[in-house]
Amino acid sequence: GAVVSQHPSWVICKSGTSVKIECRSLDFQATTMFWYRQFPKQSLMLMATSNEGSKATYEQGVEKDKFLINHASLTLSTLTVTSAHPEDSSFYICSPRQGAGDTQYFGPGTRLTVL
Amino acid sequence: AQTVTQSQPEMSVQEAETVTLSCTYDTSESNYYLFWYKQPPSRQMILVIRQEAYKQQNATENRFSVNFQKAAKSFSLKISDSQLGDTAMYFCAFRGGTSGSRLTFGEGTQLTVNP
Repeated sequence: GAVVSQHPSWVICKSGTSVKIECRSLDFQATTMFWYRQFPKQSLMLMATSNEGSKATYEQGVEKDKFLINHASLTLSTLTVTSAHPEDSSFYICSPRQGAGDTQYFGPGTRLTVL
Repeated sequence: AQTVTQSQPEMSVQEAETVTLSCTYDTSESNYYLFWYKQPPSRQMILVIRQEAYKQQNATENRFSVNFQKAAKSFSLKISDSQLGDTAMYFCAFRGGTSGSRLTFGEGTQLTVNP
């Protein structure tokens, strides 16, 4: 399968600070990037969808000013959690897709802990 | 809106035996894709198998096979000769056939393979 990297894999931050998560598709060009959040023992919840060079589309209930998504290139997307609070602690997973009919792959995830 | 239902939160199987995980979905689309992903303790999402709705033949990947019943909107996963490494959370997922469609996940089934 395709290779997707995510950095950092684990981050601990203080409440009120911002955290940036990077997602790279290493061997294919991702025209679409999906960002998910997963709480323990739960399924993946889609946060937003972005197409390269366009603004992200956020799911209902996801604050676009809090979760900033940048998809400036076909191989890199970033998710910035601004003014993080303990309730933002979760596992964040990126998922790039090359084309509409292609398989969706997943990054290894980032565990965010906000103190 | 599409929904995906996995009615078995937990299952267990003895090593070398066969187990079947259930999945049903609801959609009004005629063209779509179905997937099974596994998420081991590392939390890396791994594609297990993919099925296009227009194909009548059930997909197979080595020890993994599906029973796709389009009329019944059922998509079960059979794991043969279960191995300890198969222990994971398994997610059934649906994606519509239109451009930009996102994955809709079921709630997951935690499978434990016992020695």
